[in-house]
Amino acid sequence: DIQMTQSPSTLSASVGDRVTITCRASQSISSWLAWYQQKPGKAPKLLIYKASSLESGVPSRFSGSGSGTEFTLTIGSLQPDDFATYYCQQYDSYPWTFGQGTKVEIK
Amino acid sequence: EVQLVESGGGLVQPGGSLRLSCAASGFTFSSYWMNWVRQAPGKGLEWVANIKQDGSEKYYVDSVKGRFTISRDNAKNSLYLQMNSLRAEDTAVYYCARDTNRGGGAFDIWGQGTMVTVSS
Repeated sequence: DIQMTQSPSTLSASVGDRVTITCRASQSISSWLAWYQQKPGKAPKLLIYKASSLESGVPSRFSGSGSGTEFTLTIGSLQPDDFATYYCQQYDSYPWTFGQGTKVEIK
Repeated sequence: EVQLVESGGGLVQPGGSLRLSCAASGFTFSSYWMNWVRQAPGKGLEWVANIKQDGSEKYYVDSVKGRFTISRDNAKNSLYLQMNSLRAEDTAVYYCARDTNRGGGAFDIWGQGTMVTVSS
């Protein structure tokens, strides 16, 4: 199975900060990577697919980059609504696997 | 409105069975791969299984192979997960999720989830 490792596990930031989350795959997954945002008690929400494609309706302050084994999710200017847990997910080969999550907290 | 609504969760004893359902509306259900994803309390996300549009292909995570069966009824716009030989480690919120159909494997629509608790 492909292991997905996110860093950091927790991130403390302020409104307006630029935030970057990293996701590393244990083997190359080309660009078959998605990013999700999840708030407590809610289902995840798709932000980015195919590593860098912004899902419809998602604010442009979210962006994704990378290919192969290293990927990043960047929030250009953190907003109050962005405090949540973020997950990466590979869909290059079965079983699809998720990273362990990165919790973005208020500093 | 595009929507997925899960049902069928509950409390079950170890070794027991449960069948989850997911009702789809607002889109052409038969055109999409569909998935089950679970989340144990306080833990991360785990993909469980998926099924092709016509049901001809199904894939599972190793931990549920031989115990869980995914199926669909396109006439009823419904997805199912039959769970047998349940274990404590199957305790989780179970979400159904739709593939994007844009290269497949990312999930653009999720249900609200249904809780499954395996305990004596």
